[in-house]
Amino acid sequence: AQTVTQSQPEMSVQEAETVTLSCTYDTSESDYYLFWYKQPPSRQMILVIRQEAYKQQNATENRFSVNFQKAAKSFSLKISDSQLGDAAMYFCATHDSTSGTYKYIFGTGTRLKVLA
Amino acid sequence: EPEVTQTPSHQVTQMGQEVILRCVPISNHLYFYWYRQILGQKVEFLVSFYNNEISEKSEIFDDQFSVERPDGSNFTLKIRSTKLEDSAMYFCASSAYRLNTGELFFGEGSRLTVL
Repeated sequence: AQTVTQSQPEMSVQEAETVTLSCTYDTSESDYYLFWYKQPPSRQMILVIRQEAYKQQNATENRFSVNFQKAAKSFSLKISDSQLGDAAMYFCATHDSTSGTYKYIFGTGTRLKVLA
Repeated sequence: EPEVTQTPSHQVTQMGQEVILRCVPISNHLYFYWYRQILGQKVEFLVSFYNNEISEKSEIFDDQFSVERPDGSNFTLKIRSTKLEDSAMYFCASSAYRLNTGELFFGEGSRLTVL
């Protein structure tokens, strides 16, 4: 079964600094996607960035980028120039289609605090 | 921007009572999901719904749970006889496509507290 592990329950970063959130996963899928979702306090989860496993190039969305290491099954999220609005729970996810339908499998999340 | 809406945002109920959590997915989406998150734990898949029937359900989704789409817009999760361990955040989500390519859009969640 697919699993997603986030080993950092909480991280802090100084405003304008860079922070990296870790995620490892295990999957039996031959082709798959990986996702980072952000959940601000009392708000819904929104997609931050998506990586297709067959693409070697790391995905980038403005200040957000990933370090995708396929062999190591590692998918970390780097946030550059951190802003106060980046404070949120961040969830790493992949999809599981082994049962014939698609669903997301999430990690336990990392709470990011941004210090002014 | 279209979004998934959920009601209520918070519900407190007594053990053994029935609860209905409501969701309005994005209007042109075809795939619907319920997830839950017990405090401090991971977000867990409960059930997926497509073409007016359940596509897949997890081991958590036992006989006390049911889903339906009564009127083509709402998507409800019913918990028939709540237990203390049902206390959690329940998230509704929808997608226009099967998830290997499509993005999953989440609601803000309904917090259920069972006393």
